This record gives sequence, structure tokens and C-alpha cells, in this order.
Amino acid sequence: QVQLVESGGGVVQPGRSLRLSCAASGFTFSGYGMHWVRQAPGKGLEWVALIAHPGGGSDYADSVKGRFTISRDNSKNILYLQMNSLRTDDTALYYCVRKYASGSFDPWGQGTLVTVSS
Amino acid sequence: QSALTQPASVSGSPGQSITISCTGTSSDVGDYNFVSWYQQHPGKAPKLMILEVTNRPSGVSDRFSGSKSGNTASLTISGLQAEDEADYYCSSFTSRGTWIFGGGTKVTVL
Repeated sequence: QVQLVESGGGVVQPGRSLRLSCAASGFTFSGYGMHWVRQAPGKGLEWVALIAHPGGGSDYADSVKGRFTISRDNSKNILYLQMNSLRTDDTALYYCVRKYASGSFDPWGQGTLVTVSS
Repeated sequence: QSALTQPASVSGSPGQSITISCTGTSSDVGDYNFVSWYQQHPGKAPKLMILEVTNRPSGVSDRFSGSKSGNTASLTISGLQAEDEADYYCSSFTSRGTWIFGGGTKVTVL
């Protein structure tokens, strides 16, 4: 079945960098756009970024534009999120999500927690 | 861009119907049929419940239905059950080529 497994989260100081990974299986990874969506503790969902398939353009939320970079390796079925200049308000559970029909989000991984704190 | 507007909470008794609204603008909900709804139980990842305003993915109960009028989309849960108690989020594509979520609605089954 379709599976998305995130990794790379952890505790990092403000201003530092972190790279998240998402291993995809159970579907033709190169045939789908992929999103990152985050959820701060106790808060709602926030769309972060999208990368088109098979390796096309990307779009970002204003809150992360210029600091985060989404990329993919279709040979390894892995999605990445490079996060630079991290801020305390970037603290969240980061979900990897497949771009499904008509822009919907399905399925979702279990998430990886990023905590930005000094 | 501000989040889509959802009521913070909605409640109902078992067997009743409830409706959750999701209000956006003419640059998102009002201009595209790319509206979807997600259910999230505590400690779990969100689950797609409705896509393209009205369509249910395979495996989702027909007690869940979606609609849209102008800049407001709605999710209706009929025959409310205890397992429906969760947070619900709407999402829409926007004219900027980005996506936006609602603030979320907590559904309580009384």
C-alpha cells in the first residue's frame, strides 16, 4: 500500500539548518507532485511547499519562502525539505503528503517533529 | 494569506446531522472546485474525507458529504457517530498557485 515515512526531525537552535526526508513506497513516486504540510503543537494545518512531478517547479508558503527548499530524488523515491535560518515559529510536526486528485492531499505520513529552541 | 475561516467547534448528539462551514474568498474557495476536507483524530495524521468539493474517496462513509456556495464550502456529517469525534480541516487551491487550510473545527459528539 502507499506509504510515506518522514525522518530528520529533531531539536535545533534558531538560525540553524535541518533537512527532512520522506521515503515513499507503494506508488510511482515520479508520477505525483508532493507536498510538505506542518502543524504547530496544538494548532491547525499549514501548507508549506509543493514540488511538481517528475521534478518540475516548486511553490512555497510566504512564511518559508527564501528559507526552505523542497526537492526530490525520483531514483530513490525520496522527498526532501531543506530548512535554513530556522525560527522558533517553525516548531511543528512536518508531514509529507502526496498531491492527489485535483489538489487534494492523500495520503499523509505520520510526521516528523521539528523543535526550534535555544 | 490568512487561513480559511471555520467555526472553532461544532457539536451534536448521536444520529443527528451537523454542518461545518469553510469561508474563503473569490481568490480561493469561490474561484476553484479544488476544495477538500480532512479528518484528524488526536495523535493521528489527517485523513482525506472529501475532494473536489463533493467527491468521497473510496472507503469514506456516505454519511459525509460536501457542498459549496459562493465563497463558502461546507461539510455535512449525517447520522453522527461517536467515531466522528475529531478535528476537521478544509483546504483550497488559491489564485496564487498555493494551498490554504482552514483553522480547523473540533466536532464533539454529545
